[in-house]
Amino acid sequence: EPEVTQTPSHQVTQMGQEVILRCVPISNHLYFYWYRQILGQKVEFLVSFYNNEISEKSEIFDDQFSVERPDGSNFTLKIRSTKLEDSAMYFCASSEAPSYEQYFGPGTRLTVT
Amino acid sequence: AQKVTQAQTEISVVEKEDVTLDCVYETRDTTYYLFWYKQPPSGELVFLIRRNSFDEQNEISGRYSWNFQKSTSSFNFTITASQVVDSAVYFCALSDVLQGGSEKLVFGKGTKLTVNP
Repeated sequence: EPEVTQTPSHQVTQMGQEVILRCVPISNHLYFYWYRQILGQKVEFLVSFYNNEISEKSEIFDDQFSVERPDGSNFTLKIRSTKLEDSAMYFCASSEAPSYEQYFGPGTRLTVT
Repeated sequence: AQKVTQAQTEISVVEKEDVTLDCVYETRDTTYYLFWYKQPPSGELVFLIRRNSFDEQNEISGRYSWNFQKSTSSFNFTITASQVVDSAVYFCALSDVLQGGSEKLVFGKGTKLTVNP
């Protein structure tokens, strides 16, 4: 069964460093998303991506964040200068079409020290 | 704005008991979708069900069943004869259509279910 994959599973970084979180969505999916979940809290939308551009972003997704689809399979989230409060689980998701179920990857746990 | 409320923060049951997880939502849209996801201790989010606002039929899948009532804006989830493997955090979510046609999910805070042997 096709699945969304994410690497790395855990990333530890120092405050101020840049991190890139990687995702491989399901191959025939066209809509891509990033969400984050601070430990013990609810899952929050960050950004949606379709047709090689951002469709929508939340207020969390400030200038420190960017997304890219560098090739036909990868979808990345970059945080330019990490802050302590960026520590969270980051989930990538993809869907075939709007309103269809979004399938989530296993997540990348980001720890900023 | 879209909102999902899961009033039960934690529920603890003994194996084989039935348990219902509540979900109440708010939306101004006439067309919308509701979802349930399971997050086991390993952390991944597992899709369970998607329901559109025009389909109020209850759904059953094995030990799982869902009760969608538009009149009360609720989409409750029942596990029959619970098992230890059902222990997880369960999230209810509502779709929110974005500009450009894509959608985001608005999640509730989740209900942590513990099934004890």
